[in-house]
Amino acid sequence: SQQGEEDPQALSIQEGENATMNCSYKTSINNLQWYRQNSGRGLVHLILIRSNEREKHSGRLRVTLDTSKKSSSLLITASRAADTASYFCATGDTGGFKTIFGAGTRLFVKA
Amino acid sequence: GAGVSQTPSNKVTEKGKYVELRCDPISGHTALYWYRQSLGQGPEFLIYFQGTGAADDSGLPNDRFFAVRPEGSVSTLKIQRTERGDSAVYLCASSLGGTPYEQYFGPGTRLTVT
Repeated sequence: SQQGEEDPQALSIQEGENATMNCSYKTSINNLQWYRQNSGRGLVHLILIRSNEREKHSGRLRVTLDTSKKSSSLLITASRAADTASYFCATGDTGGFKTIFGAGTRLFVKA
Repeated sequence: GAGVSQTPSNKVTEKGKYVELRCDPISGHTALYWYRQSLGQGPEFLIYFQGTGAADDSGLPNDRFFAVRPEGSVSTLKIQRTERGDSAVYLCASSLGGTPYEQYFGPGTRLTVT
């Protein structure tokens, strides 16, 4: 079963706007990662945030983690048409092996 | 350097047949993961290797599924007596170690069972 749940399931915005995606999970984690997937094939790692971190930035990406609420958010600023993709959160369990993905948010950025 | 490669890219097989899916990880990556992804869903964890051993195979759906990594590099996912419900994209990923290292994904093998 999948642990992460992304919200919203789909998001359509205009180029230049910000996109915010949320992820909730159920059990204790070691870390949380965000991945992007184009065309339903290979995934690309975007950013990893550890359980003792609260916020992390990478270029136009900003990730927050609230372990008390078991939730994370991914903010993409100044979106571009090329950001159109599915975005998944993935949690690494405290045992150190398994990574569990959510169902994803489908982002569509209109030029 | 080369990324993770998977062969074949597409596989069509008849119900009841046996299939093998191959994954070549990035050189030097000790951790290797197999996932299965159905349309509109996120990747579903199947199995994790650290070196040659399966450190966690709790995601394998039943005993028709088996995976090996005999020399700690290339891995093969084997599915016996395939069923139509096995149709999915099978993704392989490798990383420098277990979580929290980032995973590098291959392009996947699309398996269709007719």
